[in-house]
Amino acid sequence: GAGVSQTPSNKVTEKGKYVELRCDPISGHTALYWYRQSLGQGPEFLIYFQGTGAADDSGLPNDRFFAVRPEGSVSTLKIQRTERGDSAVYLCASSLLPGAGETQYFGPGTRLLVL
Amino acid sequence: GNSVTQMEGPVTLSEEAFLTINCTYTATGYPSLFWYVQYPGEGLQLLLKATKADDKGSNKGFEATYRKETTSFHLEKGSVQVSDSAVYFCALSNQAGTALIFGKGTTLSVSS
Repeated sequence: GAGVSQTPSNKVTEKGKYVELRCDPISGHTALYWYRQSLGQGPEFLIYFQGTGAADDSGLPNDRFFAVRPEGSVSTLKIQRTERGDSAVYLCASSLLPGAGETQYFGPGTRLLVL
Repeated sequence: GNSVTQMEGPVTLSEEAFLTINCTYTATGYPSLFWYVQYPGEGLQLLLKATKADDKGSNKGFEATYRKETTSFHLEKGSVQVSDSAVYFCALSNQAGTALIFGKGTTLSVSS
């Protein structure tokens, strides 16, 4: 079946603009995660959804970042007043169930460049 | 807090050489441990995992053993191939199971 998909694959925006990044998880996966990966670094956790609710948003860097998953499937990561430091690859992952031993399946990422 | 430290790269090997990539961790409780791999131009994919102490994860000739006493999860392969060239990430799951904490990644380059 289809894996995790993310759109757009690339996004270029100007400082101060608003952007939305979309994630379509594997069908039937209840848990969804967002990560951010800067060049030469490992992914850093942003937020975790179980169903429709954000069960852990401790990784969001500040209140410019927000994410939703209104129907428990597709999720959107929203970044307001973008800054050059927000430039990174934003990764989405999903797992069938929540839990420490569950495998997370990653999407190809959205490469965000803030000019 | 939770953290993962893995050896700096790049690691450059000839085909059929033995590979070790070191990974140590700091965590509360007993996390699950993972190795993810990112091949050139592709997304992150799970290579192997271990969910409790002394478990050995294995896949595609790679192995790693969860060592609680040394808080380590070193990745090994007996004979690497050119196709193993990639970036390898060690990761642990936080106690609540809500997030993976990754190391910085180790780039492996295998030449024929």
